[in-house]
Amino acid sequence: EVQLVESGGGLVEPGKSLTLFCAASGSSFGFTFDNYAMHWVRQAPGKGLEWVSGISRNSAKLGYADSVKGRFTISRDNAKNQLYLHMNSLRVEDTALYYCVKDKGGEVTATWGCDDWGQGIQVTVSS
Amino acid sequence: DIQMTQSPSSLSASIGDRVTITCRASQNIRSYLHWYQQTPGKAPKLLIYAASTLQNGVPSRFIGSESGTDFTLTISSLQREDFATYYCEQTYALPRTFGQGTKVEVK
Repeated sequence: EVQLVESGGGLVEPGKSLTLFCAASGSSFGFTFDNYAMHWVRQAPGKGLEWVSGISRNSAKLGYADSVKGRFTISRDNAKNQLYLHMNSLRVEDTALYYCVKDKGGEVTATWGCDDWGQGIQVTVSS
Repeated sequence: DIQMTQSPSSLSASIGDRVTITCRASQNIRSYLHWYQQTPGKAPKLLIYAASTLQNGVPSRFIGSESGTDFTLTISSLQREDFATYYCEQTYALPRTFGQGTKVEVK
């Protein structure tokens, strides 16, 4: 079983920056972080799921939702089993629960969905 | 961007009912369509991937099917633990997109 633990969330003013972290670990033999693409998915209060960003297993391919392109940057450190989301120029509409999510495959497209999710970390953008 | 139109947005059903949820893609996504279940306060859980393949540990009452750009999730006999919100997701192209969700409620 894979554990994904998010941190770094909190209350921030509009226009400010925040970085989210996700630590990945596996209790089952054979989990290798750098075999899998990783994503951030968010959920605003009372709303549906929104894919935010994804990164392939070797960081060669990155992707962003139109709503965050140019403001958010995804990255990963395979040596540390860590995923990051650097969020700049935050807006009120970025307020949401942010999930760290593991893909079933190594790429960000043409994959078979996401089989492990963290519990989520709250980001609130308000003055 | 590929739009995923999910319907209905909500439905009321009883234990033992057969329930059907549909997602329509705005263009061809081959079989890169997956279904998730989310219960209140919990992270989503992958139920079906590749349109019709059951994720490990998911009961066989969950059935996925596809016809062109139309995808269907069927719960053959609704159980108490199935009252939840269901989402489809396409992973064919970036940006990846989810359907709007279907809330399955007790009648």
